[in-house]
Amino acid sequence: SAVISQKPSRDICQRGTSLTIQCQVDSQVTMMFWYRQQPGQSLTLIATANQGSEATYESGFVIDKFPISRPNLTFSTLTVSNMSPEDSSIYLCSVDGGNEKLFFGSGTQLSVL
Amino acid sequence: GQSLEQPSEVTAVEGAIVQINCTYQTSGFYGLSWYQQHDGGAPTFLSYNALDGLEETGRFSSFLSRSDSYGYLLLQELQMKDSASYFCAASGAGSYQLTFGKGTKLSVIP
Repeated sequence: SAVISQKPSRDICQRGTSLTIQCQVDSQVTMMFWYRQQPGQSLTLIATANQGSEATYESGFVIDKFPISRPNLTFSTLTVSNMSPEDSSIYLCSVDGGNEKLFFGSGTQLSVL
Repeated sequence: GQSLEQPSEVTAVEGAIVQINCTYQTSGFYGLSWYQQHDGGAPTFLSYNALDGLEETGRFSSFLSRSDSYGYLLLQELQMKDSASYFCAASGAGSYQLTFGKGTKLSVIP
């Protein structure tokens, strides 16, 4: 199993500002994934982050809005840029635990005013 | 791409058995997973099926029929702590990415 520390756990931000979410894993992993979960909704994959290469973004998500860093095999950040109220959501990082199993961080609940 | 359908809500009595169904439409389907998420918590992995048939893990079992593009999660001896949202998720061949269903909110009542 993998233990994932994600912070902040929650934040309230002003429109137009940016927030960086950090995700630390207790073991080295090749791929890390960032998901968004809007209230009462399903999980939507934002991007896949590989160490040493550019993140791969899903349809509807762009690097300018959600820049991702992956400086090493245990750490990644997701920045939500130029925020608007529509960005209010829970953001989750996850790692592949093998055998089609994902481990998730505890999530960051973001509210944009 | 992939899309998954599951009921939005299910209510069941403590001690009973409940089945949560999931149908999927996919290209390149590889397997079906199930995750549990309590309110305010992170999703946690429950089970995975790549082959047809039933996988049993304690009180929870999961079933897959690839020919019917259908699967289900079976929860036995329901406990109050089983009240949570349950998501089915499909993976594609050669891909680590999961596509999640919209989730089923299970309420267990006394």
